[in-house]
Amino acid sequence: EVQLVESGGGLVKPGGSLTLSCAGSAFIFNSFSMTWVRQAPGKGLEWVSTISSGSSHIYYADSVKGRFTISRDNAKNSLFLHMNSLRAEDTAIYYCARGYSAGWPEINFDYWGQGTLVTVSS
Amino acid sequence: QSVLTQPPSMSGAPGQRVTISCTGTSSNIGAGYYVHWYQQVPGAAPKRLIYGNSNRPAGVPDRFSGSKSGTSASLAITGLQAEDEADYYCQSYDTSLPGWVFGGGTKLTVL
Repeated sequence: EVQLVESGGGLVKPGGSLTLSCAGSAFIFNSFSMTWVRQAPGKGLEWVSTISSGSSHIYYADSVKGRFTISRDNAKNSLFLHMNSLRAEDTAIYYCARGYSAGWPEINFDYWGQGTLVTVSS
Repeated sequence: QSVLTQPPSMSGAPGQRVTISCTGTSSNIGAGYYVHWYQQVPGAAPKRLIYGNSNRPAGVPDRFSGSKSGTSASLAITGLQAEDEADYYCQSYDTSLPGWVFGGGTKLTVL
C-alpha cells in the first residue's frame, strides 16, 4: 500500500528555519511528481510547492517563493521542504502528496501523508 | 481569497442530493484544465474523490460524480449519508501563477 510519512514539524521562532521530510514507500518514487500542501488552523488547503519526478520542474506559491526550497532524493525515496525566514502565517499542517499526472501540468494528488504541524511563534 | 470559488457551507438531509460548485477563470478551469475534488473529514488528511473532471478512483461510491462546463465545475452527491459530512475542495492548475490552486472549501453538513 502506498504510504507517505512526513516528519520534521515543530515549534520555531519567527525568522527561524525548519526542514520537513516525507518518506515514500510501496511505489516507484522516481516516477511521480511530489507536492507540499499546507493547511492553517481552521482554514482551507493551500498549494505550497511541486517538484517533478526528476527535479527538472520546480514551482512555488508566491507566499513562500524565495523562502522555501523543495528538493527530493530519489535514491532514498524522500521529499524535503527547507523553510527559511519563517513567519507566523506559515503556521500550518504540512502535507506531502503524490502527483498523479495525465500529462504535465495536469496533476492531481492521489495519495497524501498524515501531515506534520509547523508552529511559528515566539 | 482563493483563486477557485466555492460556497463556504451547504447542508442536506439524509437521502437528498447536493451539488457543490467551483467557479474559476479563463486562466484555470476556463483554459481547459482538469478539475479534481477532495474530501476531508475532521482530523484527517484529504482524500481524492474525483479526478479529471468526472473520474472516480477505485473505492469511491458512485453516489459521487463530477462535471465541468466553461469556467465552472460541480461535485454532486446523491443519496446523502451521515458519513458524507466533511469539507470538500476543488483543485485545478492555473497558468497565470503558474501553479496549482484549491478552492476555499465547502463544509457539508448532513442534517
